[in-house]
Amino acid sequence: GAVVSQHPSRVICKSGTSVKIECRSLDFQATTMFWYRQFPKQSLMLMATSNEGSKATYEQGVEKDKFLINHASLTLSTLTVTSAHPEDSSFYICSARAVERGGSFTDTQYFGPGTRLTVL
Amino acid sequence: GQQVMQIPQYQHVQEGEDFTTYCNSSTTLSNIQWYKQRPGGHPVFLIQLVKSGEVKKQKRLTFQFGEAKKNSSLHITATQTTDVGTYFCAPGAGSYQLTFGKGTKLSVIP
Repeated sequence: GAVVSQHPSRVICKSGTSVKIECRSLDFQATTMFWYRQFPKQSLMLMATSNEGSKATYEQGVEKDKFLINHASLTLSTLTVTSAHPEDSSFYICSARAVERGGSFTDTQYFGPGTRLTVL
Repeated sequence: GQQVMQIPQYQHVQEGEDFTTYCNSSTTLSNIQWYKQRPGGHPVFLIQLVKSGEVKKQKRLTFQFGEAKKNSSLHITATQTTDVGTYFCAPGAGSYQLTFGKGTKLSVIP
């Protein structure tokens, strides 16, 4: 399947600091990327939809000023958790929508390996 | 996004037994995708169903999309320990967003 990478895989930070998470599609161009958050033993919750070259669309209840998303290229989207607090500790997963790969039409989402954020 | 209900939430089976998880929606779905997430891992795409009544097979896995496109199921024949994980259904919406069900966590007892 398509490869999506995330960096870093784990991060521990102090309360009040900002953390940037990168999501890259390695072998396809992704005009749309999605950011999810998953708390222990829960399902994935969509946080925002990131479109290349435009502002991200945030889900209800997700603070756009706290979770800054930048989708500057067709292969990279970043999520910055600003002024992180312990309640922001979670597993953050990105996915990239692949519409065409290798000349064939697909339209599925491929997920990155996730970033585990721990805020002390 | 469109909401779905997945049942059961947990399933413990003896290795070799069959397993089925169901995904139900109150509204008609344009498509539905299934994902598997191993413990500590990330979701991995399994399949997408689009057509009414569609049935697709992947080795021991059988995926069905209901005639009314309001429900879907995943059936695993003769489970193995490698099948352990949480299986999520996710209906696709017009904006290509996925809304994940709560998942069915499968445990396989060797």
